[in-house]
Amino acid sequence: DAGVIQSPRHEVTEMGQEVTLRCKPISGHDYLFWYRQTMMRGLELLIYFNNNVPIDDSGMPEDRFSAKMPNASFSTLKIQPSEPRDSAVYFCASRPQGASDQPQHFGDGTRLSIL
Amino acid sequence: AQSVSQHNHHVILSEAASLELGCNYSYGGTVNLFWYVQYPGQHLQLLLKYFSGDPLVKGIKGFEAEFIKSKFSFNLRKPSVQWSDTAEYFCAVELSGSARQLTFGSGTQLTVLP
Repeated sequence: DAGVIQSPRHEVTEMGQEVTLRCKPISGHDYLFWYRQTMMRGLELLIYFNNNVPIDDSGMPEDRFSAKMPNASFSTLKIQPSEPRDSAVYFCASRPQGASDQPQHFGDGTRLSIL
Repeated sequence: AQSVSQHNHHVILSEAASLELGCNYSYGGTVNLFWYVQYPGQHLQLLLKYFSGDPLVKGIKGFEAEFIKSKFSFNLRKPSVQWSDTAEYFCAVELSGSARQLTFGSGTQLTVLP
């Protein structure tokens, strides 16, 4: 049973460049979450989707960040233009909608470094 | 908005010592509670969860946690830690209902000395 799959695992790029992070949720999971983890702020929820529809994006730090979920098996988080302060580990998580006792399942994360 | 407090930022123990990590949350409604562990360079893994029923919850790797509703607490315990338990531990709270958003504590780094 494949878990949440994120790509790339590591990304190093120069400031000003566009960065795209990808996530494939577990099949059948209706919720998808994007988190950012930094030393200063810990784990923060950026945005989450339900049935491919963005429900709450209040955690997205600014307009440079955008997220899409074109279908049930794929989501992207885009940063354009990127800045050094965006350096963090970005996690994607998913969970099923109907099951009331199921936790979120996390991907391995993307470690992003903006130079 | 709900918040989660983990009072210990860094705990250092010797092998075989007992562990208790504190977690308090602020929310008056019905909540689901979780402890996740993150080994160095890895993703978050679920240690245990509480949704309802017996407030003493047993998880993987010998960990357990007790939900005390009157104290808004969900402390994590293990009677005898091992070197391999060195990791960061996160408490998380979720509002029961359709939103199901997790709010995480700031984490506790546990270092177990061999």
